[in-house]
Amino acid sequence: KAGVTQTPRYLIKTRGQQVTLSCSPISGHRSVSWYQQTPGQGLQFLFEYFSETQRNKGNFPGRFSGRQFSNSRSEMNVSTLELGDSALYLCASSLEMRAPVAGYTFGSGTRLTVV
Amino acid sequence: TQLLEQSPQFLSIQEGENLTVYCNSSSVFSSLQWYRQEPGEGPVLLVTVVTGGEVKKLKRLTFQFGDARKDSSLHITAAQPGDTGLYLCAGGGHNAGNMLTFGGGTRLMVKP
Repeated sequence: KAGVTQTPRYLIKTRGQQVTLSCSPISGHRSVSWYQQTPGQGLQFLFEYFSETQRNKGNFPGRFSGRQFSNSRSEMNVSTLELGDSALYLCASSLEMRAPVAGYTFGSGTRLTVV
Repeated sequence: TQLLEQSPQFLSIQEGENLTVYCNSSSVFSSLQWYRQEPGEGPVLLVTVVTGGEVKKLKRLTFQFGDARKDSSLHITAAQPGDTGLYLCAGGGHNAGNMLTFGGGTRLMVKP
């Protein structure tokens, strides 16, 4: 079956702009989580969506937001981009609440560069 | 806040050597996972351990969960260049939902 698909793979934006990243989870997976990965901070949890509802949120400013659609596809948005937002943004899907035991399936990520 | 610390951060060894990566916390986790990530890709799950003292083997990789479920180790026997990558541990806590806490990672390079 198809894996987790993230688009676009690479993105270059200017400070102050906004960006929207997309994630299509594995078919049948209703939980989608987003992580930011940087060399200095590692993987940091952004938020998790389940059945179109945000279930958990990490410690990121309000400029970071997300949503999930009825088909489980998810988008995350970052407004007023800062240089420090440059990172690999990873989407992970899981079947219901299985991730703590069954694990995530990650997408290949979107590499965002803010200049 | 649950934190996971991995050591070492970097490891460069010759093919055929053995190595151990550690993942430690002051918090108890209900489960612990190990992932491997290659450049330009997302992490791939290697194993999940859920019981204190549990040991799991995956070919040349041996994973152990500490008795108190606060720490874990990954041991690789006779490392090969194909083992090169970023190894990440991740703990599942007692919060609702699927949030995992990730360690900072161990970057392993195995030279032929």
